Amino acid sequence: QKEVEQNSGPLSVPEGAIASLNCTYSDRGSQSFFWYRQYSGKSPELIMFIYSNGDKEDGRFTAQLNKASQYVSLLIRDSQPSDSATYLCAVPSGGSYIPTFGRGTSLIVHP
Amino acid sequence: ETGVTQSPTHLIKTRGQQVTLRCSSQSGHNTVSWYQQALGQGPQFIFQYYREEENGRGNFPPRFSGLQFPNYSSELNVNALELDDSALYLCASSSPRDAGYEQYFGPGTRLTVT
Repeated sequence: QKEVEQNSGPLSVPEGAIASLNCTYSDRGSQSFFWYRQYSGKSPELIMFIYSNGDKEDGRFTAQLNKASQYVSLLIRDSQPSDSATYLCAVPSGGSYIPTFGRGTSLIVHP
Repeated sequence: ETGVTQSPTHLIKTRGQQVTLRCSSQSGHNTVSWYQQALGQGPQFIFQYYREEENGRGNFPPRFSGLQFPNYSSELNVNALELDDSALYLCASSSPRDAGYEQYFGPGTRLTVT
């Protein structure tokens, strides 16, 4: 059973702070990693994907991947109240393009 | 907006009934995946269709079935509805031309079984 683990939270950070969201996965063969944002009552929205070890930056978002330790993280700089949502980590198993989703981490950014 | 559409938006059914949910994929995408998302959980993979053939299936019973049409739109059918089938049903489309097969979700169908 391929597993993707996330702390359900909620993670509460003040406006302007850095929010750090973490995800661990069990399949060492996984090659691609996705972060989705899901607002309450809405569908998931793809915000970041990463394939290589290290960091990938896109605006205020940075994805960090460490394949040896089997974790991927998402950093949100200068957090805004509009970033308040559930963040889902998705990891396809090696040899598959069908992702397994974590249960998501709820992020609350308070003014 | 992803270009993926789903219908209907909301649906209320009675236990034992059957339901059909529909999805139109994003232009240029030939792969459609269906997910079930219960409250407070991540999406759970039901099955995937690629070029009208089932291309993978999650741990769901046979009363969950699907179709993909030549225009790559898709249907999810659920027979003999149970109370636990109440969830948000998500359709996602993707394309082999995207390096990581990124999936783009539609707005979902909220199914309530009473």
